[in-house]
Amino acid sequence: DQQVKQNSPSLSVQEGRISILNCDYTNSMFDYFLWYKKYPAEGPTFLISISSIKDKNEDGRFTVFLNKSAKHLSLHIVPSQPGDSAVYFCAASRNEKLTFGTGTRLTIIP
Amino acid sequence: KAGVTQTPRYLIKTRGQQVTLSCSPISGHRSVSWYQQTPGQGLQFLFEYFSETQRNKGNFPGRFSGRQFSNSRSEMNVSTLELGDSALYLCASSLAAGLSSEAFFGQGTRLTVV
Repeated sequence: DQQVKQNSPSLSVQEGRISILNCDYTNSMFDYFLWYKKYPAEGPTFLISISSIKDKNEDGRFTVFLNKSAKHLSLHIVPSQPGDSAVYFCAASRNEKLTFGTGTRLTIIP
Repeated sequence: KAGVTQTPRYLIKTRGQQVTLSCSPISGHRSVSWYQQTPGQGLQFLFEYFSETQRNKGNFPGRFSGRQFSNSRSEMNVSTLELGDSALYLCASSLAAGLSSEAFFGQGTRLTVV
């Protein structure tokens, strides 16, 4: 049973536009959410996180939004750059155990 | 400063065999977590070690085990390998336990079971 879902396996966005990556979860006990970025042949790298007591967290070009009632998380990247092309994983935590989604491959078109 | 090092990078084993994977964390990091990545399931948490003690464990059968040494290096062992164990195994190290400090991932060990 996939508790964290990324329903879009891939996404293509024009350079300079906004990229929106979505993530849905089913377990209302998750209390912390994270986004990771992964390049081929490398391990995931941490991008940004948000606690369940907040609904928005911003760090430079990256903003994460949390809608607890909808059990929905999104990552906004604006403006999108070619170096943002990667696989993005969302993750949710309960008792400090991380559950990851299956990832969305983002391609930025120059 | 050197990153997280996982060895070997690639491994082919046959069903029924056992395998040991190694993870050397970033110098000074005391927490090591292991994950299994498969195309259909994404990244799944296996276990976390901190100061040589297993601190947290995911939902994997007992065939999956691990340990951490006094220098924080960690090994993961899978016994009686099954075809479904074919995956990329990632380890991540962090300064402190849990999510209180950022985790840095290694490149992973790709295990193929035939």
